[in-house]
Amino acid sequence: QQQVKQSPQSLIVQKGGISIINCAYENTAFDYFPWYQQFPGKGPALLIAIRPDVSEKKEGRFTISFNKSAKQFSLHIMDSQPGDSATYFCAASSGYQKVTFGIGTKLQVIP
Amino acid sequence: GAVVSQHPSWVICKSGTSVKIECRSLDFQATTMFWYRQFPKQSLMLMATSNEGSKATYEQGVEKDKFLINHASLTLSTLTVTSAHPEDSSFYICSARDPATGGVETQYFGPGTRLLVL
Repeated sequence: QQQVKQSPQSLIVQKGGISIINCAYENTAFDYFPWYQQFPGKGPALLIAIRPDVSEKKEGRFTISFNKSAKQFSLHIMDSQPGDSATYFCAASSGYQKVTFGIGTKLQVIP
Repeated sequence: GAVVSQHPSWVICKSGTSVKIECRSLDFQATTMFWYRQFPKQSLMLMATSNEGSKATYEQGVEKDKFLINHASLTLSTLTVTSAHPEDSSFYICSARDPATGGVETQYFGPGTRLLVL
């Protein structure tokens, strides 16, 4: 059972454009929603995270939008750059419980 | 920030041999570490949760006798792939929680270990 559904699986964006990745979850007990960025051959790195008590969190060019009633959250990358080309994973967890990851989105930002 | 290291970064071994992968938390103490496996172009699959001083908790379908986990100290967890076979070839990644800086939920990942079994 895939508890965190992520889309799209691949995304091509022009440099300077907005990259948008969407995730939906099923378990209402989830209360922590991180996004990870992974470059080829490297481990994932925490990018930004949000809790359900806020609807949006912004850090630099990265913004998480959170819709608790719809059980959906998304990552927006503003002014996308070629250096942002990587695989992005959304995830969800609750307290000390294990983290459930989405399937991943391979982002390619073309000049 | 919290840093997690892994050693080796890549390893090639013959079928039937055992391989040990180390995961270290460099600047914090980790009572809990996690081991993941990642196939090409796929998501991370949790293999087991490693608890310092106690037995690891394995996910369903993961052979505990095949993937031995030891968490003998607060900064070191090891994963030993016993009698490795080509199907064990994968990217193995560990992570650790640092409640002091990231809260109980935040996991910091190591750089991963690429295992190739010939």
